[in-house]
Amino acid sequence: GDKVKQSPSALSLQEGTNSALRCNFSIAATTVQWFLQNPRGSLINLFYLVPGTKENGRLKSAFDSKESYSTLHIRDAQLEDSGTYFCAAEGSGGSNYKLTFGKGTLLTVTP
Amino acid sequence: EAAVTQSPRNKVTVTGGNVTLSCRQTNSHNYMYWYRQDTGHGLRLIHYSYGAGNLQIGDVPDGYKATRTTQEDFFLLLELASPSQTSLYFCASSVSSYEQYFGPGTRLTVL
Repeated sequence: GDKVKQSPSALSLQEGTNSALRCNFSIAATTVQWFLQNPRGSLINLFYLVPGTKENGRLKSAFDSKESYSTLHIRDAQLEDSGTYFCAAEGSGGSNYKLTFGKGTLLTVTP
Repeated sequence: EAAVTQSPRNKVTVTGGNVTLSCRQTNSHNYMYWYRQDTGHGLRLIHYSYGAGNLQIGDVPDGYKATRTTQEDFFLLLELASPSQTSLYFCASSVSSYEQYFGPGTRLTVL
C-alpha cells in the first residue's frame, strides 16, 4: 500500500472559503514537507516540518509524528492557490534524507 | 532561495536512444536528487547524491544511471531509452535533510 496517503485526491473550493488537506503515513516519518505544483508545473516548497505546527500567511501546517499524520489548512482560498498539493515524508531508519511523496491533492479554487 | 536549473526543458528521442538530462544548482547544497513524475504515482526518487562523486540508489533506479561531477552538477543518463521512461523529470537540491528546492522539470518523450 501507499506509504504516504493524501486525502482528498481532489477538492473544489470557492474563493474566500477554508479547507484542510491531510496526509497519513504508514512509515515512521521524522520530517514532512509540503509542496504546491502550480498550473505551470513548478514545484514550490511551502513548509518543512518537524513535529509541531507552522504558519505562513493563509497557510498553516501541522505534523504529528506519534499519530502519523500531517495537515495543511488553507484559509480564505484565492484563485492563485489552485494547483496540486503534495506532502512528502522523510522516514527514520537510514532513509538518508529520502522523501516519499504522496500522490497529491488537486485543488481548484473558483470565483 | 535555491536556484536549480535543468536542461533541456523538453526532449524527444526514440526507443534505444541515449539521453542525458542535466541539473545545476548554485547554492552549494550538498544533496541533489532526480525524480520522475507520472500521473497516478506522484513523484518517485530515481537517484540522489550527497556530494561530488557520490551516488545513492533511489526507489525506481532501473534503466537509469546518474553522475555527480561537481557540487553543482548532477546528470541523469538513459543509455537505452524505452517508452516506459516517458515522463516529467525533476531535479532537486537540499542542505542535508532540510527543504528540497526543485528545478523547472524536463519533459522527456520516448517514441
